[in-house]
Amino acid sequence: GAVVSQHPSWVICKSGTSVKIECRSLDFQATTMFWYRQFPKQSLMLMATSNEGSKATYEQGVEKDKFLINHASLTLSTLTVTSAHPEDSSFYICSAILGNEQFFGPGTRLTVL
Amino acid sequence: AQKVTQAQTEISVVEKEDVTLDCVYETRDTTYYLFWYKQPPSGELVFLIRRNSFDEQNEISGRYSWNFQKSTSSFNFTITASQVVDSAVYFCALSEASLNTDKLIFGTGTRLQVFP
Repeated sequence: GAVVSQHPSWVICKSGTSVKIECRSLDFQATTMFWYRQFPKQSLMLMATSNEGSKATYEQGVEKDKFLINHASLTLSTLTVTSAHPEDSSFYICSAILGNEQFFGPGTRLTVL
Repeated sequence: AQKVTQAQTEISVVEKEDVTLDCVYETRDTTYYLFWYKQPPSGELVFLIRRNSFDEQNEISGRYSWNFQKSTSSFNFTITASQVVDSAVYFCALSEASLNTDKLIFGTGTRLQVFP
């Protein structure tokens, strides 16, 4: 199957700093990628749909100015958590579409101190 | 409105027992897709199955089987002869064709613990 990677796999940062998370489709091109957030022992919640070459589409309740998404190439989407706060601590998972299937990255665990 | 309900929060079984994970969904679409994913402690989602709304045939893959019943809007997952390696959180998910997108709506997950 297709492979999606995320970098970093975990990150710890101080409150007020910005953190960038990368999502790459390693062996295929993806015009659409998704970003999900998962709080401990909870389900995955879709944050936004990342479209190559255009603006991301955010789900209701997700602040687009806080969670900046850039999909500059067919193999890379980035999520930047700006001015991170402890409540942003979560597991962030991306996925990429290939044909009819959705392939998930391994996730990035963000801890904001 | 679309919704996926996994009423079982946690299930504990002893190895070799059979276990069924329930999934009930809500959608107004006539064309939709249902999924099951496994999330082991490492966090990475493992795809298990994708089923479209027009295919009500039950499916078996090794120790795994799925029972899709449109009449009750359910898509249950059974693990036969469970093993310790089956311990994980299992998510049921729904995707609606009318949205022309592959957005997944996840259930809250069922944590399965298989004890030796």
